Amino acid sequence: GENVEQHPSTLSVQEGDSAVIKCTYSDSASNYFPWYKQELGKGPQLIIDIRSNVGEKKDQRIAVTLNKTAKHFSLHITETQPEDSAVYFCAAAGSARQLTFGSGTQLTVLP
Amino acid sequence: NAGVTQTPKFQVLKTGQSMTLQCAQDMNHNSMYWYRQDPGMGLRLIYYSASEGTTDKGEVPNGYNVSRLNKREFSLRLESAAPSQTSVYFCASHQQNGGNTGELFFGEGSRLTVL
Repeated sequence: GENVEQHPSTLSVQEGDSAVIKCTYSDSASNYFPWYKQELGKGPQLIIDIRSNVGEKKDQRIAVTLNKTAKHFSLHITETQPEDSAVYFCAAAGSARQLTFGSGTQLTVLP
Repeated sequence: NAGVTQTPKFQVLKTGQSMTLQCAQDMNHNSMYWYRQDPGMGLRLIYYSASEGTTDKGEVPNGYNVSRLNKREFSLRLESAAPSQTSVYFCASHQQNGGNTGELFFGEGSRLTVL
């Protein structure tokens, strides 16, 4: 089955700096790669996703890049703000058509 | 519009006790899911229901049973709780029949402790 690895597990950045979270996946048939944000005490919420026919997607301060050859994808957050502090999960939909999640990254934006 | 509602939010059980986690969605979604979240392990799929009347095992189904009561409701049952089932459980729903290329909508979670 699909295996998704996510790094780093924790990340601290100064407010205004950029944050990058990286994920790798194992199933070459995977074709859908969402990112979820989980605030304390809440369920995860989709923030951006990318499909395998696209190399990059951007939504305001958030961007995702996908390298299918290397089987990795990354989340980029620019001009970080305190409200960006949360746990972020990457995921991949493989040949089984179910999402496999990474282990999560705790992002802390320091004022 | 409540989205996905889970009950209870918190529960403490003793080893061997049984309980059912309830989940309901009001978005007319076809697929529903149960995940567990443990520190350092992300979200792992327990069971899912691609459509009303069907259920399938996910990655970690042992010790659990599910019922898709109707299109709105999907319950998770622990018949004989074990300490290893201490976790935060999330229910989610999805518009499509099976498959998962689209947004999952999550409830706020049910924190279960088994002593």
